[in-house]
Amino acid sequence: DVKVTQSSRYLVKRTGEKVFLECVQDMDHENMFWYRQDPGLGLRLIYFSYDVKMKEKGDIPEGYSVSREKKERFSLILESASTNQTSMYLCASSGDRRSSYEQYFGPGTRLTVT
Amino acid sequence: AQSVTQLDSQVPVFEEAPVELRCNYSSSVSVYLFWYVQYPNQGLQLLLKYLSGSTLVKGINGFEAEFNKSQTSFHLRKPSVHISDTAEYFCAVIRFSGGYNKLIFGAGTRLAVHP
Repeated sequence: DVKVTQSSRYLVKRTGEKVFLECVQDMDHENMFWYRQDPGLGLRLIYFSYDVKMKEKGDIPEGYSVSREKKERFSLILESASTNQTSMYLCASSGDRRSSYEQYFGPGTRLTVT
Repeated sequence: AQSVTQLDSQVPVFEEAPVELRCNYSSSVSVYLFWYVQYPNQGLQLLLKYLSGSTLVKGINGFEAEFNKSQTSFHLRKPSVHISDTAEYFCAVIRFSGGYNKLIFGAGTRLAVHP
């Protein structure tokens, strides 16, 4: 069974803290994605990676960075958390660059920055 | 550029009634369309997809959608809903950019099924 896991379901951090969100997939997928989900805005792509050590900016990369040292793991980093980064963060993965149509999602991390 | 508009932010409906969730897309190239569902406190799950072929696509849990090229629509339907269908539904389109395929999501439609 396909599985994408995220390190935390809920997280509370203070403004200015460095925050790490971890995502692991067990499907040997090439592509991994980080989205943020906000009411009325749907999902917006922050960063994605199509291979180990490769990363590409999505539509809203400002204030975020990512790391992919191993194929199964994709980390989202908030260098200095701010209150406007309070959101639901969803990780996803998909097969290869050509067939990256169906994405499998993790359960999400609800991050609150105070 | 590809984009998606979900015309209703919320749809209330009674149990066993039919429902239609509307989605319109804009795209100047080949279209690949998806509906995802998000149950409370969960991630997104694929309901159905249109890549090519028959314009009527059947998905899980009794849902279906029809690709209408002339109206640039991909509406989701179910003839009789259950309480368990209460969830948020997202329409999405593939955007081809710089050699990569990205999913572009609509804002979502919250379906509330009442007894």
